[in-house]
Amino acid sequence: EIVLTQSPATLSLSPGERATLSCRASQSVTSYLAWYQQKRGQAPRLLIYDASNRATGIPARFSGSGSGTDFTLTISTLEPEDFAVYYCQQRNNWPPEYTFGQGTKLEIK
Amino acid sequence: QVQLVESGGGVVQPGRSLTLSCAASGLTFSAYGVHWVRQAPGKGLEWVAVIWSDGNNKFYLDSVKGRFTISRDTSKNTVYLQMNSLGAEDTAVYYCARGSGYRYGYFDYWGQGTLVTVSS
Repeated sequence: EIVLTQSPATLSLSPGERATLSCRASQSVTSYLAWYQQKRGQAPRLLIYDASNRATGIPARFSGSGSGTDFTLTISTLEPEDFAVYYCQQRNNWPPEYTFGQGTKLEIK
Repeated sequence: QVQLVESGGGVVQPGRSLTLSCAASGLTFSAYGVHWVRQAPGKGLEWVAVIWSDGNNKFYLDSVKGRFTISRDTSKNTVYLQMNSLGAEDTAVYYCARGSGYRYGYFDYWGQGTLVTVSS
């Protein structure tokens, strides 16, 4: 089983600042990594897939990078609506299993 | 416009069964994989099960194998999750989500979720 570890658990920043969130896999997932945003009381929303591709309708301030075991989600300039919980997720090869990281809470400082 | 609507959640006693439904509009399930993902109160996301577009390939989280069954009715464009022998650890909001990409590896559309509470 591939384990995803996200850091930090909580990130306190102000609007206008840059956010860098990390996701580390216990073994290589090549580029099969996605990022989601979840606001309180809402379903998750896909932000990034295949490590660096923005999903439909996602603003350009969101970007993803990495491959193998180390991945990063960057929010270039935080907007008030960006404060939420962020999850990374991977799909392993066979048998298919789809696992999530434990989440990073991005809170207003 | 893609829309997924879950239903069937509620309060159920330990050891009993419950079946969740996920009805889709704006997409055809036979062309995509469909997942169930759950979230226990105050906790993170946990993938539960997937049915691939062929309808034959079905995969499960280890802790639900033998207890949960995913299925679909293409005529109703609906996917189901039958849950048996429920325990307190199954208490969660259950989301259905469309799977896209290689082996349906990411979830690009989600329903609003349905709450399952296992309690006596």
